[in-house]
Amino acid sequence: AQTVTQSQPEMSVQEAETVTLSCTYDTSENNYYLFWYKQPPSRQMILVIRQEAYKQQNATENRFSVNFQKAAKSFSLKISDSQLGDTAMYFCAFRNFNKFYFGSGTKLNVKP
Amino acid sequence: EPEVTQTPSHQVTQMGQEVILRCVPISNHLYFYWYRQILGQKVEFLVSFYNNEISEKSEIFDDQFSVERPDGSNFTLKIRSTKLEDSAMYFCASSEGVEAFFGQGTRLTVV
Repeated sequence: AQTVTQSQPEMSVQEAETVTLSCTYDTSENNYYLFWYKQPPSRQMILVIRQEAYKQQNATENRFSVNFQKAAKSFSLKISDSQLGDTAMYFCAFRNFNKFYFGSGTKLNVKP
Repeated sequence: EPEVTQTPSHQVTQMGQEVILRCVPISNHLYFYWYRQILGQKVEFLVSFYNNEISEKSEIFDDQFSVERPDGSNFTLKIRSTKLEDSAMYFCASSEGVEAFFGQGTRLTVV
């Protein structure tokens, strides 16, 4: 069975600082996709970044980057130069075939 | 930029009533999903839909739930007889094959 674990229910970071959100997953598959979604107070799920399991290079999108460790089944999200607008719930997600599995989320508070 | 749209944004219904939640996926997408999120909890998979049929469903998706794509654009979730525990945020998503794009959600409140 596929599972996604986010062990940090809540984190805080000062504006302009860097924060890393952790995610681990469990699967026996070799080909899959990993995602980080952001859910601001508006509740809409917004894609932040994605990583294909077959790619060794870590994905980067502006201030957002991942540390993908396939052997360890770890997929952490690093947010650099944190901004107030980054305050949200962040969900790690795993896609295998036709289904997405979500972690329980990490609530990130960016403090001024 | 194309987006998934859901209506209504908020629905209040009496326990035992039927509700239909509507979604317009992104037009060239082939995979469609419904997820739900009870307040403060994780996002739970309900059902996936491909090629005009259900491809997978969860244990939550019992006989009270059904999905349809009646006209090639809308994708609906019907709950036949709502229970209090159906109160949640319901998200529709569509995918062309990799990432899923989510709608803004419908908050369903069963009273």
